[in-house]
Amino acid sequence: DQQVKQNSPSLSVQEGRISILNCDYTNSMFDYFLWYKKYPAEGPTFLISISSIKDKNEDGRFTVFLNKSAKHLSLHIVPSQPGDSAVYFCAASGATSGSARQLTFGSGTQLTVLP
Amino acid sequence: DAGVIQSPRHEVTEMGQEVTLRCKPISGHNSLFWYRQTMMRGLELLIYFNNNVPIDDSGMPEDRFSAKMPNASFSTLKIQPSEPRDSAVYFCASSLGVGRALNEQFFGPGTRLTVL
Repeated sequence: DQQVKQNSPSLSVQEGRISILNCDYTNSMFDYFLWYKKYPAEGPTFLISISSIKDKNEDGRFTVFLNKSAKHLSLHIVPSQPGDSAVYFCAASGATSGSARQLTFGSGTQLTVLP
Repeated sequence: DAGVIQSPRHEVTEMGQEVTLRCKPISGHNSLFWYRQTMMRGLELLIYFNNNVPIDDSGMPEDRFSAKMPNASFSTLKIQPSEPRDSAVYFCASSLGVGRALNEQFFGPGTRLTVL
């Protein structure tokens, strides 16, 4: 049972336009959400996150929106640049015993920004 | 800081052989995670440690897999005996484990394992 779903395996966007990547989750215990970016032959790198007490978090060209009632979050990239071409993973975290927190990842969306 | 260090970067072995993957977390981080990425299953958590103690190994596929963390700066993931279906990219990640940083994990470059 996938608790974090990214239903679009790929997305192509023209340079300068907006990229919108979507993510849905099923576990209502998740209270922190993250987006990671992954280039080929590299590990995922943290991009932006949002706590469940917020509905929006912005960092430069990247904005994450959270709709808790719909259990949906999205990542907006404006304007998109060719260097943004990568696989984007959505991840979620919830309260667990102990001080470590597990991340549950979605399957990823390959973003291609066309010049 | 050099970030999370994994070795080897690539490993090709034959079925039945023992494979050992190594990880050095970021200094000061007290949580360490081992992930496996495959086309079919995506990025899945195998096991994680907190302060060198295994907390949850429910993601470990079977007894052929074992992981240790003898000290705060080193961890190993061992597969014995290896099978072709173990072929995947294995990532190690670490996190600070406190406050807001509790959630943010830093990944190593991964080890691409091919079992023939």
